[in-house]
Amino acid sequence: LAKTTQPISMDSYEGQEVNITCSHNNIATNDYITWYQQFPSQGPRFIIQGYKTKVTNEVASLFIPADRKSSTLSLPRVSLSDTAVYYCLVEGRRALTFGSGTRLQVQP
Amino acid sequence: DTEVTQTPKHLVMGMTNKKSLKCEQHMGHRAMYWYKQKAKKPPELMFVYSYEKLSINESVPSRFSPECPNSSLLNLHLHALQPEDSALYLCASSQNRGNEQYFGPGTRLTVT
Repeated sequence: LAKTTQPISMDSYEGQEVNITCSHNNIATNDYITWYQQFPSQGPRFIIQGYKTKVTNEVASLFIPADRKSSTLSLPRVSLSDTAVYYCLVEGRRALTFGSGTRLQVQP
Repeated sequence: DTEVTQTPKHLVMGMTNKKSLKCEQHMGHRAMYWYKQKAKKPPELMFVYSYEKLSINESVPSRFSPECPNSSLLNLHLHALQPEDSALYLCASSQNRGNEQYFGPGTRLTVT
């Protein structure tokens, strides 16, 4: 079972790039890495998913090194509305583990 | 329609009550999930259904009983709960296991 570790919190300012890293040392060969955003009293919302190397979509990029033991979510030019909790998720056929979550606070 | 709906939004129940939580999706997804989330903690997986069959049961106490009547519906039957079971119960669905999950808004459960 992949144990996932994330920083508890991060602070940033509007317009800056934010990088949040998740460690998953025991990731299995078939596991995928997915990142979610959650606002208070809401269900998590999908941001991006990857298996290896780099993935980019309209809101974020995901960097996964060759050994896949970590992943980094990159949010370009954050705004106040990006203040939320960010979770990495490692999912395989037999198990699924959310990271502990990183609370991102964006200030003006 | 990319929505997962959950009912009720809030539920207060006593320790001897029997109640059910409901989850519905009409996206044709074949995987459905139940999670429990305590305040300031990550979602904790309880059950996963894939093609209407239970594929993961994370050693959840028998007072929680899942049911998947068809590919669009997922129920969680509750009986003889404890106060520590009070939490936000989230349902999610995905095209298949491993794909992005769509989460519902959750049911806020309070056990008195």
